[in-house]
Amino acid sequence: KNEVEQSPQNLTAQEGEFITINCSYSVGISALHWLQQHPGGGIVSLFMLSSGKKKHGRLIATINIQEKHSSLHITASHPRDSAVYICAVIAAGNKLTFGGGTRVLVKP
Amino acid sequence: DAGITQSPRHKVTETGTPVTLRCHQTENHRYMYWYRQDPGHGLRLIHYSYGVKDTDKGEVSDGYSVSRSKTEDFLLTLESATSSQTSVYFCAIGEVGTATDTQYFGPGTRLTVL
Repeated sequence: KNEVEQSPQNLTAQEGEFITINCSYSVGISALHWLQQHPGGGIVSLFMLSSGKKKHGRLIATINIQEKHSSLHITASHPRDSAVYICAVIAAGNKLTFGGGTRVLVKP
Repeated sequence: DAGITQSPRHKVTETGTPVTLRCHQTENHRYMYWYRQDPGHGLRLIHYSYGVKDTDKGEVSDGYSVSRSKTEDFLLTLESATSSQTSVYFCAIGEVGTATDTQYFGPGTRLTVL
């Protein structure tokens, strides 16, 4: 079993819909990282969080350390949000362990 | 964008040949990382460096070596490339110990081993 599991693997939404991506992990962590990989392959850091909630524009990330779970929400989704969203955890040292990613397609 | 470049961006090589990928940063970050990304496996850490001449292995380090003789450059070497090393390789910089840290990724190198 992977240490970091994401769900769903694939998600299709209509423009304007609210999107939720889930990340569960099985180890104790110091922080969790959400990344976005564009269709062209580039990877961008969205959030790093260890408790509570962070918001940036239409993106909201939450984490529950006790339940070992994090969610990434996209409000008022837009076709430009189409990407792969990747969750990664920091369990030991300065190293990330990644989930398999969630492929999001937002249709106009 | 953080100043990270990778070279080459694309490479096709034959089994058994040596290959070196270069990651160059202009941000003076102490930490640098090499990952590979494969369908069905996501991103996996190959090696990382926490300073000049200071490196450590990741979860998929077999068949790879690294060197860091200068802060700005982190080299990944495949001593004898195999088809299983066909992948997209990403370099990243930045410490990831806490929630105030972040990591910046290079554009990636697509390596095909025939």
